[in-house]
Amino acid sequence: SQKIEQNSEALNIQEGKTATLTCNYTNYSPAYLQWYRQDPGRGPVFLLLIRENEKEKRKERLKVTFDTTLKQSLFHITASQPADSATYLCALDPGGYQKVTFGTGTKLQVIP
Amino acid sequence: GAVVSQHPSRVICKSGTSVKIECRSLDFQATTMFWYRQFPKQSLMLMATSNEGSKATYEQGVEKDKFLINHASLTLSTLTVTSAHPEDSSFYICSARAASVSQETQYFGPGTRLLVL
Repeated sequence: SQKIEQNSEALNIQEGKTATLTCNYTNYSPAYLQWYRQDPGRGPVFLLLIRENEKEKRKERLKVTFDTTLKQSLFHITASQPADSATYLCALDPGGYQKVTFGTGTKLQVIP
Repeated sequence: GAVVSQHPSRVICKSGTSVKIECRSLDFQATTMFWYRQFPKQSLMLMATSNEGSKATYEQGVEKDKFLINHASLTLSTLTVTSAHPEDSSFYICSARAASVSQETQYFGPGTRLLVL
C-alpha cells in the first residue's frame, strides 16, 4: 500500500542553522511533490511544489530536492529563524486532478 | 491572491445536532473543492472532493449521508455534519483548486474546530 513517511519526532535546531526535513514514500509515483507549513490550529499553507522531472527547487531561504529513484524529498530551510517553527507537511500528487496524499508532518522548533 | 475562508472557525454543539461549515474562495473561482479532517497529531485525511454543480465524490469509509457536501457555486462549498456525535469532533479543513491560479496547487482554508459534547 502507498505510504508516506516523515520524521514523527520533532526537530529542534538552533537559530541560524539549516533545518533539513525528510519525506520518504513507497508504492507511489507522484507527478508532483508539495511542501506545506501548518501552524497549530490553522490550515496548511502552500510553500513549494517540485515536479517529477525536477531535481531541485528554491524559493528564498527554502530549498526542496526530489529524488524519484530514492523516493525521497528533502526540504531545507537555511538561516532558520524562530518564526520558522511550525509543522511541515509533504504531499504527493499523482497529477491529473487525482487525490493528493499528505504525510503526518514534522514539527520544527527553531531555538533562539 | 488565492485566499480561502472558512466559517465558523470554531463550533461547539450538542450530540445529535447538525453543523454546517462554509468554505469560500475569495478571489478566484474554485472548480474543485476538497474537504479534509485532521485529528490531533495526524495527517490530513481527505473526506470528499466536490466539483461545482455536481455530486461530491466521497472517500472510502466516509458516510455521504452523514457528511453532506454542497458545491452550489464556483466560490462556495458547504459541509454539513448531520446528527453529530462526540467522535465527529475534529479539525475540518477545506481547500480549493482553480486552473486560473495553478493547476497543481491546493489553497487551504484556516480550518474549523468542531467539538461535539
